[in-house]
Amino acid sequence: SYVLTQPPSVSVAPGKTARITCGGNNIGSKSVHWYQQKPGQAPVLVIYYDSDRPSGIPERFSGSNSGNTATLTISRVEAGDEADYYCQVWDSSSDHPGWVFGGGTKLTVL
Amino acid sequence: QVQLVQSGAEVKKPGASVKVSCKVSGYTLTELSMHWVRQAPGKGLEWMGGFDPEDGETIYAQKFQGRVTMTEDTSTDTAYMELSSLRSEDTAVYYCATGRDTAISDNWFDPWGQGTLVTVSS
Repeated sequence: SYVLTQPPSVSVAPGKTARITCGGNNIGSKSVHWYQQKPGQAPVLVIYYDSDRPSGIPERFSGSNSGNTATLTISRVEAGDEADYYCQVWDSSSDHPGWVFGGGTKLTVL
Repeated sequence: QVQLVQSGAEVKKPGASVKVSCKVSGYTLTELSMHWVRQAPGKGLEWMGGFDPEDGETIYAQKFQGRVTMTEDTSTDTAYMELSSLRSEDTAVYYCATGRDTAISDNWFDPWGQGTLVTVSS
């Protein structure tokens, strides 16, 4: 089955830029979605179709996807951005297609 | 705007079954595709299955096939997820999440229910 690899943790100072990667074999050929999950809360969609933002998500959140790596970029990071972030793709490569999530990245705002 | 409200926490013994509900408001179930995702304590997200509007079928993750059943009551706009033969490793928060009324592969999950904690313990 398809594997998505995320770094377990990323740390960034307030006001700086955080980049969270999601690695997968030829992931650039797939659509990637990103979710933010704060402690004790349900996940929230922050990016869909690699780089589109749902309404209500700040422009500081952006995404890109090429080759073997998709990236979620958070500009001008705020304390409220501290959360776990998950990438997601549809895996059609096996006999059992399905949705796959990355292992998650904990973003710490220093 | 879609809102999802799930049933309350459950405590089950090993070998038992659990049925979690997810009530939709703001839209009807027939306008959406419903998915179920679980999260074990301190772990990541795991997709269990969901409805494919293109085929009209529910697709289950291989890991759960034979043990999970997802159903819908369109008269009450409520979706259900039943997991049987519970074991301690099934202790997790179970989320419902909606996708659009399009092919399952051309979707994303927005919004999510608040989650239901299922604890499996003897």
